[in-house]
Order: sequence, then structure tokens, then C-alpha cells
Amino acid sequence: DADVTQTPRNRITKTGKRIMLECSQTKGHDRMYWYRQDPGLGLRLIYYSFDVKDINKGEISDGYSVSRQAQAKFSLSLESAIPNQTALYFCATSDLDANYGYTFGSGTRLTVV
Amino acid sequence: AQKITQTQPGMFVQEKEAVTLDCTYDTSDQSYGLFWYKQPSSGEMIFLIYQGSYDEQNATEGRYSLNFQKARKSANLVISASQLGDSAMYFCAMREGLYNFNKFYFGSGTKLNVKP
Repeated sequence: DADVTQTPRNRITKTGKRIMLECSQTKGHDRMYWYRQDPGLGLRLIYYSFDVKDINKGEISDGYSVSRQAQAKFSLSLESAIPNQTALYFCATSDLDANYGYTFGSGTRLTVV
Repeated sequence: AQKITQTQPGMFVQEKEAVTLDCTYDTSDQSYGLFWYKQPSSGEMIFLIYQGSYDEQNATEGRYSLNFQKARKSANLVISASQLGDSAMYFCAMREGLYNFNKFYFGSGTKLNVKP
């Protein structure tokens, strides 16, 4: 099993629909992150969480919400999807000092039509 | 100012040759980390190599090495003996700070194509 598992891998949804992307990890890391990737822009941080009681906005949090259900689970919701939220979404985890960077999930390719 | 700059949107290299992917960074922190990730067409992000700001030796991992020039704030990735499987997007990233927040900055990536 992968250390960081994202579901679904691919999703097509309609404008205005609510959608949840899920992430679970077996690394035992406290810190979890959601990023989106758009062509030519690299990865941009949406939300991050240092533990189950800690949720913080990243640089592009508008239109998104998150829930940290447990140490191992961190979900991202799009309350009312819009086409410019079409992107590749990554969940990532890290330990306290992240000297070896993040452990990434395999990504969720979301298309909003 | 951009924290991480990758100036090569795309590059070609002949199989078995070496290639250097450029990365410059901007930080006023004394303690930081530099990373390279590979993203094949399947989409996953694969960690390749790490260089700490206090490390005096350049990091190496198999065919990957990181050419760290602190004064120039550059952290170029060198891939020796390129293979067809090296064709992918490559992202340079920087972590600022130690414990307070692992804030990462990513570059916009370089798409490497290895020609047979």
C-alpha cells in the first residue's frame, strides 16, 4: 500500500457540484497539506494542518475547505465546483523538520465541466 | 520576487548524455533545504535529492547530483547518463525555516525529454 493514498484518482464533475477529495497516510506524520498543480505554475498550497486541531489557509484557499478527521486523514472539499478549479491536486505529508521533503500522494486529476 | 526560479521550461538531451537543470532560489533564511522532485507523465511526485543549507558537500543520489552554489543561490540538478525513463517534469523546491512551518516553495518546472 502507498504511504499516502488519494481518492479518487480521476474525477469529472459538473459546475456547482460539491466534491470531496480524500487523503489518508500511513507515515505517522502529523503535518498534512493540500496542493494544486496547474501547468506552468508549479504547486500552490491550498490548506495545511499540523495536527487534528490545527487547520491553516494556504495561498489559494478561496473556494476550498478541509477537514482533518484523524491524524491519518485529511480531506479537501470544493463546495461548489467551478471550471477554473480543474487541476491536479496533491496531498502531502511531512514530519516535523521535513528534511526529506514531502511524501506525496499520487494525485487526483479533477475536471470541472 | 520569485522564491524559486526555473528558467528552462523544456529541454532535450540525448540518451546517455549528462544534463543540467537550472534552479535559483531566493531566501534570507540561514537554514533552508533544497529539493528536487520528478513528475513522470503518470503524475506522481517522486523525491529525488535533498541539500541542506549547511551541507558543505554536494548531495548525490545515484545518477543525480545537486550542484549547490550557496553564494550564487543556485541548486542545479545534474543527471548523468540520461535514460529514456528520465523523460519527465522536474521541480525544484525550497523549504524555509526549521520547525515553525515547513513552508515549501516550488518552481514552475522543467520538462525534460530524453531522445534515443
